[in-house]
Amino acid sequence: QVQLQESGPGLVKPSETLSLNCTVSGGSLSSSYWSWVRQPPGKGLEWIGHGYYTGTTKYNPSLESRVTISLDTSTYKFSLKLTSVTPADTAVYYCARVSQQWLVPRYFDVWGRGSLVVVSS
Amino acid sequence: QSALTQPASVSGSPGQSITISCTGTSNDVGGYNFVSWYQQHPGKAPKLIIYDVTNRPSGVSDRFSGSKSGNTASLTISGLQAEDEADYYCNSYTGYSTEVFGTGTKVTVL
Repeated sequence: QVQLQESGPGLVKPSETLSLNCTVSGGSLSSSYWSWVRQPPGKGLEWIGHGYYTGTTKYNPSLESRVTISLDTSTYKFSLKLTSVTPADTAVYYCARVSQQWLVPRYFDVWGRGSLVVVSS
Repeated sequence: QSALTQPASVSGSPGQSITISCTGTSNDVGGYNFVSWYQQHPGKAPKLIIYDVTNRPSGVSDRFSGSKSGNTASLTISGLQAEDEADYYCNSYTGYSTEVFGTGTKVTVL
């Protein structure tokens, strides 16, 4: 059974880069998309983007200029980098596996427990 | 891309049925059968309860059902139970090859 675990700093200063890793256990990074989703305190879910093991990525247009998602199949990890953060980027960040059909993402079937990242000086 | 529109809150008594709507456009909900629903209890990660509009993952109660008509998808919870009190989010694939979530609905069991 695939499990996901986020890791990274819980506090980031404004204007710096937020970096998170997601470790995949119980499966490989092949044949699925791997996604990041965030949830500001008391608010709804926001899709950040996803990556495929071939290197293909897709991002939320509202974040695209600041986001990079990358996969490392050798270490069973995928990562999120968000540059130039502000307090508005404070949120719980979830990593998730995305089931796909004919290379079209369908649904998020496995989620990590989430990692709270606070942006503050 | 704008979030899909859901009612902020829906409530019902134990045993009743409730329906949550999720309204988008022809470029997301209306254009693809890749609509999914997630249940989120406080402090927990979202959990997949419906995928591809109508399908339930193994282990999810058959009290949860999904449907779609035009640009609006719906989640129905039958035989409402106290454990169903949670936030619910819809999600859809879009014509821009991106994903979009709904605004979220808080379900209260009276």
